[in-house]
Amino acid sequence: SQTIHQWPATLVQPVGSPLSLECTVEGTSNPNLYWYRQAAGRGLQLLFYSVGIGQISSEVPQNLSASRPQDRQFILSSKKLLLSDSGFYLCAWSDTRSSYNSPLHFGNGTRLTVT
Amino acid sequence: RKEVEQDPGPFNVPEGATVAFNCTYSNSASQSFFWYRQDCRKEPKLLMSVYSSGNEDGRFTAQLNRASQYISLLIRDSKLSDSATYLCVVNMGNYGQNFVFGPGTRLSVLP
Repeated sequence: SQTIHQWPATLVQPVGSPLSLECTVEGTSNPNLYWYRQAAGRGLQLLFYSVGIGQISSEVPQNLSASRPQDRQFILSSKKLLLSDSGFYLCAWSDTRSSYNSPLHFGNGTRLTVT
Repeated sequence: RKEVEQDPGPFNVPEGATVAFNCTYSNSASQSFFWYRQDCRKEPKLLMSVYSSGNEDGRFTAQLNRASQYISLLIRDSKLSDSATYLCVVNMGNYGQNFVFGPGTRLSVLP
């Protein structure tokens, strides 16, 4: 069965520090991968998605970036965090082989607090 | 108009009640539809997909009306454990990368 791992679970970082969140998927190949952010009390905002290695689409211009160095690895990064980057970051995957009815499957999320 | 809209809530219902949530979407070309539940400070989890003919999973029934661009979720015999935020999700893309989330409707089932 497929599983998705995301770490760390919680993170407290000072303003201006770098960020690296990692996500890996097991049990499937060539998944679509996504990074979402959820601010406190708000809905989910799509940040990046990837349909293949090295292919990244950005939905919201900001100081974050994403990379997909391997088929089942997705990394979210920042060179300098802002206070507004605080939130709940969620990695997700969907199966490209099951047509458009394939749902999103989420990792456990990383709760980031920028101080 | 927002792409996906939901009942603002919150819904506070007694155990055993039947509750219905509504969701509307703006893109008539949307391909697939889902309901997720999200517990406080947790990731969203898939509750059920929504099929054109409507579908049922135990106490949960989902319906889709493409003509009206409307999705519903019915929960019968509410349990305390049903308390959560329910998210309507619409896939507006052909290749699976355009999932749009509604703002969610908060449900509290009271003893």
